[in-house]
Amino acid sequence: QKEVEQNSGPLSVPEGAIASLNCTYSDRGSQSFFWYRQYSGKSPELIMSIYSNGDKEDGRFTAQLNKASQYVSLLIRDSQPSDSATYLCAPRPYGNNRLAFGKGNQVVVIP
Amino acid sequence: NAGVTQTPKFQVLKTGQSMTLQCAQDMNHNSMYWYRQDPGMGLRLIYYSASEGTTDKGEVPNGYNVSRLNKREFSLRLESAAPSQTSVYFCASKERGAVVFDYGYTFGSGTRLTVV
Repeated sequence: QKEVEQNSGPLSVPEGAIASLNCTYSDRGSQSFFWYRQYSGKSPELIMSIYSNGDKEDGRFTAQLNKASQYVSLLIRDSQPSDSATYLCAPRPYGNNRLAFGKGNQVVVIP
Repeated sequence: NAGVTQTPKFQVLKTGQSMTLQCAQDMNHNSMYWYRQDPGMGLRLIYYSASEGTTDKGEVPNGYNVSRLNKREFSLRLESAAPSQTSVYFCASKERGAVVFDYGYTFGSGTRLTVV
């Protein structure tokens, strides 16, 4: 089982709607997670980090972590065309574990 | 604020040629990483260096070697390039911070490598 699973199929949302992205992970030792945004042809950039169960809000972005169920999600409210990108989930490394990114969730916001 | 600098940005190699991708960071980070990214495959870890003087294999190390020259620099070498190594390569660095103050990875702008 891959360490981090994301559904990489494109998610199309109309402008102004909520985009919901999910990420599941297999390592119960993972304590915190990062969400990165990657525009086509560009390098990933950090948009959110979360380390506690529950929700963390930052502007239009909300990250949710559920350690018991081993999933982390990202909500993008009031989606804008500029949010069209691929969103990557990654656990924070700890100890000697090897780092893993999910394949990403592609989001397309339709004006 | 240069962050993470990768060179070159683009490169075309012939099969069997060798080359070194350079990466340097000016943030005094301890950990550095090399990833490759292929369509539909996401980011895959090639090698990483948790601190100066140490390197470890990642998910896809075959065909690559690395050198952590000093705290700033981490290079990736292809000894005999193959078409399967055509990819976009990203270098990243990270400081070991407390969980609550962890700022994640900082990525370079990438090297687009084509092996023909």
